[in-house]
Amino acid sequence: ETGVTQTPRHLVMGMTNKKSLKCEQHLGHNAMYWYKQSAKKPLELMFVYNFKEQTENNSVPSRFSPECPNSSHLFLHLHTLQPEDSALYLCASSPMKTSTEQYFGPGTRLTVT
Amino acid sequence: GQNIDQPTEMTATEGAIVQINCTYQTSGFNGLFWYQQHAGEAPTFLSYNVLDGLEEKGRFSSFLSRSKGYSYLLLKELQMKDSASYLCAVDRGSTLGRLYFGRGTQLTVWP
Repeated sequence: ETGVTQTPRHLVMGMTNKKSLKCEQHLGHNAMYWYKQSAKKPLELMFVYNFKEQTENNSVPSRFSPECPNSSHLFLHLHTLQPEDSALYLCASSPMKTSTEQYFGPGTRLTVT
Repeated sequence: GQNIDQPTEMTATEGAIVQINCTYQTSGFNGLFWYQQHAGEAPTFLSYNVLDGLEEKGRFSSFLSRSKGYSYLLLKELQMKDSASYLCAVDRGSTLGRLYFGRGTQLTVWP
């Protein structure tokens, strides 16, 4: 399998549930990202990992907890979410160098009920 | 804060030319990206500009003026499959990989 994959593609969860989103990249990149995409809003960076180390947390609430066990895998653990957290969550990866394109996964459509 | 503006929606007909503008005001600049995103799909890279001028790639071209904080994406010989959202993103150069995105321009191509 090539590129960036994400599972699940769709997720519906209640506010008291705990779930995890998974991202995997097969491109040999060293940087991985989580983005949130809500309707009518710009794509919003959540977290950046370089060589498995978190280099940016864009003031994301603690109910979102990222994990990067290696350069190919990235998780986003979710707990006690709010309805306003419903959005498309996109994962991306890139080589770890400046001014380089990012490769996005297809996203997980999350609905919090 | 960082400000990246692009029109919300545009329409055009098959075979026509359309220009999607993006203006930015950011503290720092290290390049500007354009991405295409079809409904329900991942954004895909279209172009990157860091120097002033026009970059041509097939039917798509991208222009940058750093002094004006302005870029445009030019799509020629429009096809129905070009109907998508076009995202402008600026690399401020502050943090490796950190991009600031505009809200996207939804382009609809009519037959």
